Amino acid sequence: DVKVTQSSRYLVKRTGEKVFLECVQDMDHENMFWYRQDPGLGLRLIYFSYDVKMKEKGDIPEGYSVSREKKERFSLILESASTNQTSMYLCASSLATGGGHQPQHFGDGTRLSIL
Amino acid sequence: GQQVMQIPQYQHVQEGEDFTTYCNSSTTLSNIQWYKQRPGGHPVFLIQLVKSGEVKKQKRLTFQFGEAKKNSSLHITATQTTDVGTYFCAGRTLVYGNKLVFGAGTILRVKS
Repeated sequence: DVKVTQSSRYLVKRTGEKVFLECVQDMDHENMFWYRQDPGLGLRLIYFSYDVKMKEKGDIPEGYSVSREKKERFSLILESASTNQTSMYLCASSLATGGGHQPQHFGDGTRLSIL
Repeated sequence: GQQVMQIPQYQHVQEGEDFTTYCNSSTTLSNIQWYKQRPGGHPVFLIQLVKSGEVKKQKRLTFQFGEAKKNSSLHITATQTTDVGTYFCAGRTLVYGNKLVFGAGTILRVKS
């Protein structure tokens, strides 16, 4: 069974702090994704990665960066946290095969509050 | 703006009633996936539809993909309290850079 593990379930940080959210998957998936989930807006893609050291911007990348130094780990970085980044953050992974028809497997999410 | 529209945003039904959520895209989709998120949980993949006009069933759940591959629906027959949660559709198309684009989700509550 696929396991996607996010380092924290709840996190509270202050405005201006640099925040790291970590995600690890154990199924050797090539693709990894970071979403934020806000009420009424669904899941919005922040960044994704199809391979080690590769990253691509999603729909809302402003204020975020990512790092993928190892295949199993995909980190989301808030360079200087702001209150409008208070949200639920979800990491997901998927296989690269099948022409984009693979399902995504999600972690439990990190509920981040910026004070 | 939202490229995959999903309605309704919220539905509260009596246990035993049917429930339907609808998903619409302005562009033709190569496939559509459906996910369920239980309260306090994370989205879990339910099914994928690829072919025009495709219909798939999972017990009381029926999934349809429109003939034009621009819309999809999820119908639950005789809802149960275990059906509560948020149902998301997610479509993929080259127009979206082949990324999966999620609808806003439909929150289902079931009164027993």
